[in-house]
Amino acid sequence: DSGVTQTPKHLITATGQRVTLRCSPRSGDLSVYWYQQSLDQGLQFLIQYYNGEERAKGNILERFSAQQFPDLHSELNLSSLELGDSALYFCASSVLQTTDTQYFGPGTRLTVL
Amino acid sequence: QQQVKQSPQSLIVQKGGISIINCAYENTAFDYFPWYQQFPGKGPALLIAIRPDVSEKKEGRFTISFNKSAKQFSLHIMDSQPGDSATYFCAASGGGSNYKLTFGKGTLLTVNP
Repeated sequence: DSGVTQTPKHLITATGQRVTLRCSPRSGDLSVYWYQQSLDQGLQFLIQYYNGEERAKGNILERFSAQQFPDLHSELNLSSLELGDSALYFCASSVLQTTDTQYFGPGTRLTVL
Repeated sequence: QQQVKQSPQSLIVQKGGISIINCAYENTAFDYFPWYQQFPGKGPALLIAIRPDVSEKKEGRFTISFNKSAKQFSLHIMDSQPGDSATYFCAASGGGSNYKLTFGKGTLLTVNP
């Protein structure tokens, strides 16, 4: 158990809908990262937050957004969902922005029908 | 552009044998190279990591070999066990304030009893 929690574990929804994925980092970790894992693209970095502020962006679609709250939990919002958004979404956390060691949560499996 | 190339895609080893997975990177700014292990339905778990100032790091049955001039690094699993059967990902990060992990495509390791 990495200490990173993610909810929900599974999510099934329809095209065009909007969903919110939630992540709680390990106790004491200030930095949160979101990754998408799909069969064709592998593990891809989406976005990083550090102590409430956006720090880095990867290949995140404009339909996707994220935020980190004062209690350090983070939410990833996915809107106007398409079939291709079906994937595993992982959250990872690290102690500081400058710490490379990232601990991953168990993931949320999103299925768009 | 795939910045971290991993091979082989899949590997079958007999119990007690040595498993070797290779990765090559392109970005010379990378300065942190972790390996993650992922079981089905679980998030990636950090296995072992290395920085470019050393050429080898060993933790139990797991060893990372690093060749900075060739921009290559590899994971060796000694005395492979059926419980090691999982997908292994190499990754890299670094370069200024960029702490996102760039992952290889993964290697599915099967250890036969």
